[in-house]
Amino acid sequence: NAGVTQTPKFRVLKTGQSMTLLCAQDMNHEYMYWYRQDPGMGLRLIHYSVGEGTTAKGEVPDGYNVSRLKKQNFLLGLESAAPSQTSVYFCASKGVSGKAYNEQFFGPGTRLTVL
Amino acid sequence: AQSVTQLDSQVPVFEEAPVELRCNYSSSVSVYLFWYVQYPNQGLQLLLKYLSGSTLVKGINGFEAEFNKSQTSFHLRKPSVHISDTAEYFCAVTLYNNNDMRFGAGTRLTVKP
Repeated sequence: NAGVTQTPKFRVLKTGQSMTLLCAQDMNHEYMYWYRQDPGMGLRLIHYSVGEGTTAKGEVPDGYNVSRLKKQNFLLGLESAAPSQTSVYFCASKGVSGKAYNEQFFGPGTRLTVL
Repeated sequence: AQSVTQLDSQVPVFEEAPVELRCNYSSSVSVYLFWYVQYPNQGLQLLLKYLSGSTLVKGINGFEAEFNKSQTSFHLRKPSVHISDTAEYFCAVTLYNNNDMRFGAGTRLTVKP
């Protein structure tokens, strides 16, 4: 099992450009999450999904959109990137039963720089 | 909404010494509590979690934490640290009926030889 994977690992954008970050999980988890990590602020939830075709806003959703067309994938989009979106982005997934109940599994992260 | 405060941003300690990383949370309802570790340039890995039952929770790599409801705390402890424990540690909380996990700002543990 690969667990949670994220594509790409690094990206540099210019202000105003758009991009999509891809998260994939092979654990058949229902829930998926997107976080951003900034120095001294821990992780903050951007958007999450409780199942295929459903999404919800987290703590810091402005400037981002998401889609969950397939259960195993969760996409994070930036329509018009801003320097304030320079961050490390983490995807996570969570199952609803079993030994790992309520445990989130994290991907390796995507480091995004917006110039 | 629930929130988490990690009381120390940095904790330097010598190898084989004991360590405690402090975490306090605020919530008006029952919670689940977690500690995650992040090694440089990696994602987060679960150390331990409290869902219910015994308030003393044992995790991986010799770490343990104690849930104290009256003090709304969930401090992480290890009796003897190794150089390899150098990492950033995050405390996190979710409500029983909520998918929104809130993280503390993190504590950077540095173990010196």
